[in-house]
Amino acid sequence: DSGVTQTPKHLITATGQRVTLRCSPRSGDLSVYWYQQSLDQGLQFLIQYYNGEERAKGNILERFSAQQFPDLHSELNLSSLELGDSALYFCASSSRAGGDTDTQYFGPGTRLTVL
Amino acid sequence: ILNVEQSPQSLHVQEGDSTNFTCSFPSSNFYALHWYRWETAKSPEALFVMTLNGDEKKKGRISATLNTKEGYSYLYIKGSQPEDSATYLCAFDGSGNTGKLIFGQGTTLQVKP
Repeated sequence: DSGVTQTPKHLITATGQRVTLRCSPRSGDLSVYWYQQSLDQGLQFLIQYYNGEERAKGNILERFSAQQFPDLHSELNLSSLELGDSALYFCASSSRAGGDTDTQYFGPGTRLTVL
Repeated sequence: ILNVEQSPQSLHVQEGDSTNFTCSFPSSNFYALHWYRWETAKSPEALFVMTLNGDEKKKGRISATLNTKEGYSYLYIKGSQPEDSATYLCAFDGSGNTGKLIFGQGTTLQVKP
């Protein structure tokens, strides 16, 4: 158990809908990262927040947004869902903003299925 | 576009065999190379973070080496056990001050008893 929690574990929804994925980092960690694992792709970095501020952005679609709250939990919002958004979404956390020895600890993931 | 390549894609070995796989990454703007172990139905688990050229890390029967000048890292498993069956991921950090990791596709290891 990494100490990172994610809810829900599974989510099934329809195209065009909007969903929110939630992540609580390990106690004391200030950075939260979101990754997407699609069927035929490796883990893709979406976005990083550090202490409430956006720190780095990957190839995150405009239909997706995220935020980190004062208690450091984070939410990833996915809207106007398409079939291709079906994937495993991971959250990870680390203690610092990033840097060469900053290990990222992964949560159990949320499996999103868009029908 | 930064590419991180892992080979082989999959590997089947017998219990007791030693094995190794490769991660290739850009040799410029290198800050760190991460190795993760990912078992089915679980989340990726950090194995090593490597930063210096020539670095060697060890954790039990698993070890890793790093060559930043030529852009590769090797992961070795000595005396493979069935519980070593997993996908091994490497991730390149070329950002330095964020945590933006670029992951390879992974090497899936199956150890037969």
